[in-house]
Amino acid sequence: QITLKESGPTLVKPTQTLTLTCTFSGFSLSTSGVGVGWIRQPPGKALEWLALIYWNDDKRYSPSLKSRLTITKDTSKNQVVLTMTNMDPVDTATYYCAHNGAVAGPFDYWGQGTLVTVSS
Amino acid sequence: DIQMTQSPSTLSASVGDRVTITCRASQSISSWLAWYQQKPGKAPKLLIYKASSLESGVPSRFSGSGSGTEFTLTISSLQPDDFATYYCQQYNSYLWTFGQGTKVEIK
Repeated sequence: QITLKESGPTLVKPTQTLTLTCTFSGFSLSTSGVGVGWIRQPPGKALEWLALIYWNDDKRYSPSLKSRLTITKDTSKNQVVLTMTNMDPVDTATYYCAHNGAVAGPFDYWGQGTLVTVSS
Repeated sequence: DIQMTQSPSTLSASVGDRVTITCRASQSISSWLAWYQQKPGKAPKLLIYKASSLESGVPSRFSGSGSGTEFTLTISSLQPDDFATYYCQQYNSYLWTFGQGTKVEIK
Protein backbone atom coordinates (compact mmCIF):
# COMPACT_ATOMS: atom_id res chain seq x y z
CA GLN A 1 0.00 0.00 0.00
CA ILE A 2 1.49 3.30 -1.15
CA THR A 3 1.15 6.26 1.19
CA LEU A 4 2.71 9.72 1.22
CA LYS A 5 2.60 12.45 3.83
CA GLU A 6 3.77 16.03 3.68
CA SER A 7 5.29 17.86 6.64
CA GLY A 8 6.69 21.29 7.25
CA PRO A 9 5.80 24.72 8.62
CA THR A 10 2.25 25.97 8.40
CA LEU A 11 3.31 29.61 8.49
CA VAL A 12 6.30 31.30 6.87
CA LYS A 13 7.19 34.95 6.58
CA PRO A 14 7.69 36.74 3.27
CA THR A 15 11.25 36.36 1.88
CA GLN A 16 11.85 33.23 3.97
CA THR A 17 12.71 29.82 2.52
CA LEU A 18 10.13 27.05 2.76
CA THR A 19 11.28 23.49 3.35
CA LEU A 20 8.76 20.68 2.94
CA THR A 21 9.35 16.98 3.47
CA CYS A 22 7.44 14.15 1.84
CA THR A 23 7.72 10.87 3.75
CA PHE A 24 6.45 7.85 1.87
CA SER A 25 5.98 4.11 2.24
CA GLY A 26 4.97 1.22 0.04
CA PHE A 27 7.55 1.90 -2.68
CA SER A 28 11.23 2.67 -3.08
CA LEU A 29 12.76 5.64 -4.85
CA SER A 30 15.58 3.39 -5.94
CA THR A 31 13.21 1.42 -8.19
CA SER A 32 13.64 2.14 -11.89
CA GLY A 33 10.94 4.42 -13.30
CA VAL A 34 9.65 5.75 -9.99
CA GLY A 35 9.40 9.43 -9.17
CA VAL A 36 7.96 11.75 -6.54
CA GLY A 37 6.56 15.13 -7.43
CA TRP A 38 5.25 18.24 -5.71
CA ILE A 39 2.06 20.03 -6.69
CA ARG A 40 0.43 23.02 -5.01
CA GLN A 41 -3.04 24.53 -4.93
CA PRO A 42 -3.80 28.07 -3.73
CA PRO A 43 -7.12 28.34 -1.85
CA GLY A 44 -9.99 28.06 -4.33
CA LYS A 45 -7.67 27.80 -7.31
CA ALA A 46 -6.29 25.19 -9.67
CA LEU A 47 -3.48 22.70 -9.23
CA GLU A 48 0.05 23.69 -10.24
CA TRP A 49 2.91 21.24 -10.73
CA LEU A 50 6.18 22.38 -9.11
CA ALA A 51 8.90 19.74 -9.32
CA LEU A 52 9.64 16.04 -9.64
CA ILE A 53 12.60 13.80 -8.83
CA TYR A 54 13.23 10.37 -10.32
CA TRP A 55 14.87 7.23 -8.97
CA ASN A 56 18.04 8.09 -10.92
CA ASP A 57 18.18 11.61 -9.39
CA ASP A 58 16.91 13.22 -12.58
CA LYS A 59 15.12 16.41 -11.51
CA ARG A 60 12.44 18.40 -13.33
CA TYR A 61 11.13 21.83 -12.41
CA SER A 62 8.30 24.08 -13.45
CA PRO A 63 9.89 26.62 -15.80
CA SER A 64 8.11 29.52 -14.09
CA LEU A 65 9.45 28.60 -10.63
CA LYS A 66 12.70 26.86 -11.48
CA SER A 67 14.94 29.57 -10.02
CA ARG A 68 13.29 29.24 -6.60
CA LEU A 69 12.96 25.46 -6.27
CA THR A 70 15.25 22.64 -5.22
CA ILE A 71 14.14 19.02 -4.92
CA THR A 72 16.24 16.30 -3.29
CA LYS A 73 15.73 12.75 -2.12
CA ASP A 74 16.97 10.58 0.73
CA THR A 75 16.35 7.05 -0.43
CA SER A 76 17.39 5.49 2.88
CA LYS A 77 14.81 7.56 4.76
CA ASN A 78 12.09 7.29 2.08
CA GLN A 79 11.88 11.06 1.92
CA VAL A 80 11.79 13.79 -0.70
CA VAL A 81 12.47 17.39 0.26
CA LEU A 82 11.33 20.51 -1.59
CA THR A 83 12.77 23.93 -0.84
CA MET A 84 11.28 27.14 -2.19
CA THR A 85 13.13 30.39 -1.67
CA ASN A 86 11.90 33.94 -1.33
CA MET A 87 8.37 33.08 -0.27
CA ASP A 88 5.59 35.57 -1.01
CA PRO A 89 1.94 35.75 0.08
CA VAL A 90 0.93 34.50 -3.39
CA ASP A 91 2.70 31.23 -2.52
CA THR A 92 0.05 30.53 0.12
CA ALA A 93 -1.31 27.13 -0.90
CA THR A 94 -1.84 23.52 -0.01
CA TYR A 95 1.28 21.65 -1.05
CA TYR A 96 0.93 18.01 -2.12
CA CYS A 97 3.52 15.36 -2.84
CA ALA A 98 2.58 12.54 -5.18
CA HIS A 99 3.92 9.25 -6.56
CA ASN A 100 4.76 9.02 -10.24
CA GLY A 101 4.90 5.36 -11.16
CA ALA A 102 5.74 5.59 -14.83
CA VAL A 103 8.44 7.78 -16.28
CA ALA A 104 6.82 11.08 -17.28
CA GLY A 105 3.44 9.60 -16.32
CA PRO A 106 0.50 10.79 -14.20
CA PHE A 107 0.43 11.08 -10.41
CA ASP A 108 -1.31 7.98 -9.14
CA TYR A 109 -0.97 8.35 -5.38
CA TRP A 110 -1.16 11.61 -3.45
CA GLY A 111 -0.45 12.76 0.07
CA GLN A 112 -3.15 14.53 2.06
CA GLY A 113 -1.52 17.92 1.51
CA THR A 114 -0.24 20.56 3.89
CA LEU A 115 -1.44 24.16 3.97
CA VAL A 116 1.33 26.73 4.00
CA THR A 117 0.43 30.35 4.70
CA VAL A 118 2.83 33.14 3.86
CA SER A 119 2.26 36.15 6.06
CA SER A 120 4.21 38.56 8.19
CA ASP B 1 4.80 25.73 -22.23
CA ILE B 2 1.73 23.65 -23.00
CA GLN B 3 -1.49 25.27 -21.79
CA MET B 4 -4.57 23.24 -20.89
CA THR B 5 -8.03 24.78 -21.18
CA GLN B 6 -11.09 23.09 -19.73
CA SER B 7 -14.72 23.83 -20.47
CA PRO B 8 -17.06 24.52 -18.94
CA SER B 9 -15.70 25.99 -15.70
CA THR B 10 -18.89 25.04 -13.89
CA LEU B 11 -21.51 22.50 -14.82
CA SER B 12 -24.90 22.04 -13.14
CA ALA B 13 -26.38 18.59 -13.52
CA SER B 14 -28.77 16.14 -11.91
CA VAL B 15 -28.25 12.61 -10.69
CA GLY B 16 -28.53 10.28 -13.67
CA ASP B 17 -27.41 12.87 -16.22
CA ARG B 18 -24.73 12.18 -18.81
CA VAL B 19 -21.95 14.71 -18.28
CA THR B 20 -19.12 15.66 -20.64
CA ILE B 21 -16.13 17.85 -19.82
CA THR B 22 -13.74 19.05 -22.52
CA CYS B 23 -10.02 19.72 -22.25
CA ARG B 24 -7.94 21.32 -25.00
CA ALA B 25 -4.16 21.42 -25.20
CA SER B 26 -2.30 24.33 -26.81
CA GLN B 27 -0.25 21.83 -28.81
CA SER B 28 -0.39 18.13 -29.52
CA ILE B 29 0.22 15.89 -26.52
CA SER B 30 -0.58 12.61 -28.27
CA SER B 31 -2.52 10.66 -25.61
CA TRP B 32 -0.54 11.85 -22.61
CA LEU B 33 -3.53 13.12 -20.69
CA ALA B 34 -4.94 12.29 -17.28
CA TRP B 35 -8.15 13.21 -15.49
CA TYR B 36 -8.46 13.72 -11.73
CA GLN B 37 -11.39 14.16 -9.37
CA GLN B 38 -11.04 16.39 -6.34
CA LYS B 39 -13.48 16.84 -3.49
CA PRO B 40 -13.30 19.76 -1.04
CA GLY B 41 -10.43 19.43 1.42
CA LYS B 42 -9.13 16.28 -0.24
CA ALA B 43 -6.24 15.39 -2.52
CA PRO B 44 -6.95 14.77 -6.20
CA LYS B 45 -7.72 11.21 -7.25
CA LEU B 46 -6.54 9.78 -10.57
CA LEU B 47 -9.46 8.60 -12.71
CA ILE B 48 -8.15 8.24 -16.25
CA TYR B 49 -4.63 8.08 -17.71
CA LYS B 50 -3.30 7.93 -21.25
CA ALA B 51 -6.50 9.70 -22.33
CA SER B 52 -8.78 6.66 -22.09
CA SER B 53 -7.36 4.11 -19.63
CA LEU B 54 -9.42 3.69 -16.48
CA GLU B 55 -7.43 3.65 -13.26
CA SER B 56 -7.95 0.55 -11.15
CA GLY B 57 -10.97 0.79 -8.87
CA VAL B 58 -12.60 3.69 -10.73
CA PRO B 59 -16.25 3.05 -11.68
CA SER B 60 -16.89 2.22 -15.32
CA ARG B 61 -19.32 5.15 -15.66
CA PHE B 62 -16.20 7.30 -16.09
CA SER B 63 -14.61 7.26 -19.54
CA GLY B 64 -12.09 9.35 -21.43
CA SER B 65 -11.43 9.91 -25.10
CA GLY B 66 -9.42 12.03 -27.49
CA SER B 67 -5.90 12.50 -28.74
CA GLY B 68 -3.72 15.28 -30.02
CA THR B 69 -5.21 18.48 -28.65
CA GLU B 70 -8.82 17.68 -27.79
CA PHE B 71 -10.01 15.39 -25.01
CA THR B 72 -13.21 14.60 -23.15
CA LEU B 73 -14.17 13.09 -19.83
CA THR B 74 -17.63 11.56 -19.76
CA ILE B 75 -19.66 10.40 -16.79
CA SER B 76 -22.38 8.21 -18.24
CA SER B 77 -24.84 8.48 -15.34
CA LEU B 78 -23.97 11.05 -12.68
CA GLN B 79 -24.07 9.70 -9.13
CA PRO B 80 -24.26 11.68 -5.86
CA ASP B 81 -20.61 10.84 -5.13
CA ASP B 82 -19.52 12.43 -8.44
CA PHE B 83 -20.23 16.03 -7.46
CA ALA B 84 -16.69 17.37 -7.34
CA THR B 85 -14.12 19.35 -9.32
CA TYR B 86 -12.40 17.64 -12.24
CA TYR B 87 -8.97 18.50 -13.62
CA CYS B 88 -7.23 17.42 -16.78
CA GLN B 89 -3.44 17.19 -16.80
CA GLN B 90 -1.00 16.75 -19.62
CA TYR B 91 2.23 14.87 -19.04
CA ASN B 92 4.08 15.27 -22.28
CA SER B 93 7.86 15.68 -22.37
CA TYR B 94 8.62 15.71 -18.65
CA LEU B 95 6.46 18.70 -17.84
CA TRP B 96 3.08 18.47 -16.17
CA THR B 97 0.33 21.05 -16.63
CA PHE B 98 -3.17 21.08 -15.20
CA GLY B 99 -6.32 22.62 -16.56
CA GLN B 100 -8.17 25.19 -14.51
CA GLY B 101 -10.79 22.71 -13.34
CA THR B 102 -14.48 22.02 -13.92
CA LYS B 103 -16.80 22.06 -10.94
CA VAL B 104 -19.76 19.70 -11.26
CA GLU B 105 -22.61 21.03 -9.13
CA ILE B 106 -26.02 19.72 -8.20
CA LYS B 107 -28.74 21.23 -10.36
